[in-house]
Amino acid sequence: GENVEQHPSTLSVQEGDSAVIKCTYSDSASNYFPWYKQELGKGPQLIIDIRSNVGEKKDQRIAVTLNKTAKHFSLHITETQPEDSAVYFCAANAPNFGNEKLTFGTGTRLTIIP
Amino acid sequence: GAGVSQSPRYKVAKRGQDVALRCDPISGHVSLFWYQQALGQGPEFLTYFQNEAQLDKSGLPSDRFFAERPEGSVSTLKIQRTQQEDSAVYLCASSLAQEAFFGQGTRLTVV
Repeated sequence: GENVEQHPSTLSVQEGDSAVIKCTYSDSASNYFPWYKQELGKGPQLIIDIRSNVGEKKDQRIAVTLNKTAKHFSLHITETQPEDSAVYFCAANAPNFGNEKLTFGTGTRLTIIP
Repeated sequence: GAGVSQSPRYKVAKRGQDVALRCDPISGHVSLFWYQQALGQGPEFLTYFQNEAQLDKSGLPSDRFFAERPEGSVSTLKIQRTQQEDSAVYLCASSLAQEAFFGQGTRLTVV
């Protein structure tokens, strides 16, 4: 099955600086890669996603890049703000299993230092 | 509703007790997923419904876990004879296409 690895596990950045989180996946059939933000006591919130037919996608301060050849994708947050502090999860789908179930990484705890 | 709703938010069960966790998906969403999230880990897939049909239950950890969605809307995850290792947050997600939207989860603590 799919295996998704995520790093770093923790990341602290100064407010206003950029943060980058990286993930690799194993199943070459995966074609959908969402990123979720999870705050304490809440469910994961979809913040951005990318499909395998594009290499990059941006939404304001958030961007995701995908390298299908290397099977890795990254989340970039620019001009970080205190409200960006949370746990971020990457995920990949498993299209060969007949549904869009997701395999998640182990998460990155991002702390923005004011 | 505006989002996926799960109840109860918190559940404490004595070991051996049966529990039932409810999920109200976003109206009109065909697909419904249950995930289990252990402390400090990412969510792990349990089972998948397309309307009322349970098409994938490969992630259910044992036959003590049972899920249903009889009318293709609300779903219930039932755990029989709970064990300590069942303690986790149980997340429900619904989707129309690929984007999956999660509820806030039910935190189950087995004592």
